[in-house]
Amino acid sequence: DTEVTQTPKHLVMGMTNKKSLKCEQHMGHRAMYWYKQKAKKPPELMFVYSYEKLSINESVPSRFSPECPNSSLLNLHLHALQPEDSALYLCASSPRQNLNQPQHFGDGTRLSIL
Amino acid sequence: AQKVTQAQTEISVVEKEDVTLDCVYETRDTTYYLFWYKQPPSGELVFLIRRNSFDEQNEISGRYSWNFQKSTSSFNFTITASQVVDSAVYFCALTQTGANNLFFGTGTRLTVIP
Repeated sequence: DTEVTQTPKHLVMGMTNKKSLKCEQHMGHRAMYWYKQKAKKPPELMFVYSYEKLSINESVPSRFSPECPNSSLLNLHLHALQPEDSALYLCASSPRQNLNQPQHFGDGTRLSIL
Repeated sequence: AQKVTQAQTEISVVEKEDVTLDCVYETRDTTYYLFWYKQPPSGELVFLIRRNSFDEQNEISGRYSWNFQKSTSSFNFTITASQVVDSAVYFCALTQTGANNLFFGTGTRLTVIP
């Protein structure tokens, strides 16, 4: 079992749906990350939150909207996604926002857009 | 510019064989950090090792060993006496102090055949 929990594990949605991905960690980490991973590709950084504030947005389209309600939770709200958004979405955390430190990853949410 | 190259896309070995996964990196910074992560079929990335640019000591952890050579900009990973549970995609990654991103290689898919 990983220390970073992501729900749901699988999600199928239409292009007009609104859904949310959730991520939770109880390690006291103050930095949390969203990555997108297409099949047979490495993960790509999307967002970084540090102390519940958005620190990095890697030019992600506005149909992806992150939210960090508290230090343990990270959400990714999805709206009007495109088929090319189908991917594995990984959440990660680290003690501080310092990419020199190892990150702890969740199992990911496999998202399919119809 | 930073870049990580994992030239081996896929490797298959028979159980108990030794296998080396190659990683070559490019960076202009003198201070940088290298990582290896394992991604089993379940999806989560599992941190294996971090090495900073000032520490060229090789490291051994059980069946795993890493060979860091700045002269050839390589950070290779060897699994001794491979097991079926070692089957996964292995990513090498690079970052610098204060960087906003973690640069992943394209990964090497290792299959250990019983």
